[in-house]
Parts: sequence; C-alpha cells; structure tokens
Amino acid sequence: EVQLVESGGGLVKPGGSLRLSCAASGFTFSSYSMNWVRQAPGKGLEWVSFISSSSRYIYYTDSVKGRFTISRDNAKNSLYLQMNSLRAEDTAVYYCARDVTSPPRYFDYWGQGTLVTVSS
Amino acid sequence: DIQMTQSPSSLSASVGDRVTITCQASQDISNYLNWYQQKPGKAPKLLIYDASNLETGVPSRFSGSGSGTDFTFTISSLQPEDIATYYCQEYDNLPITFGQGTRLEIK
Repeated sequence: EVQLVESGGGLVKPGGSLRLSCAASGFTFSSYSMNWVRQAPGKGLEWVSFISSSSRYIYYTDSVKGRFTISRDNAKNSLYLQMNSLRAEDTAVYYCARDVTSPPRYFDYWGQGTLVTVSS
Repeated sequence: DIQMTQSPSSLSASVGDRVTITCQASQDISNYLNWYQQKPGKAPKLLIYDASNLETGVPSRFSGSGSGTDFTFTISSLQPEDIATYYCQEYDNLPITFGQGTRLEIK
C-alpha cells in the first residue's frame, strides 16, 4: 500500500524557517517524481514545487523561489521542503504528492498533510 | 500562468441527480487536465487524468471530457458519499494550476 506521511509542520514567526519531511513507503520511491502542494485555510489548492526521481529537474512556483528548497533522499525514501524567510501567506496545509512523470503531470497519491502556521 | 475557471463555485443536488462541473482554461491545454475530489479534512484524491481517463478504483459514475479550453466533469448519479469539493488541474505549463474548486452539497 502506498503511504506518504508528512511531518515537520508547526507554528513559526515571520522570517523564520521550517523543514518539512515526507516519508514514503509501499512503492519504489526512487522511480517517482514528487511534489509539494499547499492549501491555505479555507482556500483552494496551490502547487508549490516538483522534483524528478533523480533530482535532476526541480521546479518552483514563483512565490517561493529563492525561499524554499525541495530535495529528496532516495536511500531514505524521503522528500523534504526547506522553507526559509517564511511569510504569513505561507500559512497552509502542505501535502506531498506522488507524480507519474517528469515534467509534472498528475498526482496519484497524497499524504495527509502537515499544517504550517506563520504568525507572530 | 494559465488560469483555470471552474463553474459553478458551489452546487446543491439530490441523490441520484446527474451533476456537471465545468472547467475553462485561459489558453489551449490540449487534454492536459485532471480532476480531484477533496472531502473535508482529507487530502485530495485523483479521479480523472488526461481529461477523460478514470483512475483505477474510481467508480464509473465519474467521468470527464473535453479538450482545448473547455472541460466537463460529470457524476452520472449522485451518491451521498460524493459530497466534497472538486478541483480541476492543468499541467500544460509551469506553474501547474488548479481551478478554484466546486463545492458539492446534497439538497
């Protein structure tokens, strides 16, 4: 059974940093691209970042470029999102989602999400 | 960025009704369109990919159609468990974008 489990969310002050993790199991992690998608409270879905299976291709939405860094460790079956210079507008539930191809196409499995709250 | 406009934003229907949601792209995206279902407090679930392909395990009452700029998502006979918010998502270009969502309620 495919499982994606996010962790690392919490309350952080504006300008602060946080590192999210996504632990994958039930599939060959190194063969799949991965994404981070977020959802602000009561709002819709927003794609954040993509990383290909080998980390060769990495993409970000403009609003996080230069502040967020996506990475993965295929030996540990884990995906990460390093978030720096956090802003109030980054407050959201962050989901990791498996992709079927590179470039991004569709997200066939999602984690349960981890809440990031940026507030003073 | 490609803008995805869903309509309606909310919808109330009765069990057994045929329900249709539309998604319009701001430019031609071929068939690069997916549909997701999100129940309250849960992660989204993929229902339809590439505009019309049913994801494995998804009930056949769900279907999708369209190409270019205009797409349709249909539930042929609404069931109580279909209460959710539905999102379209395009992947023609980066950044990937989602529609604003359609909230479906039971009348």
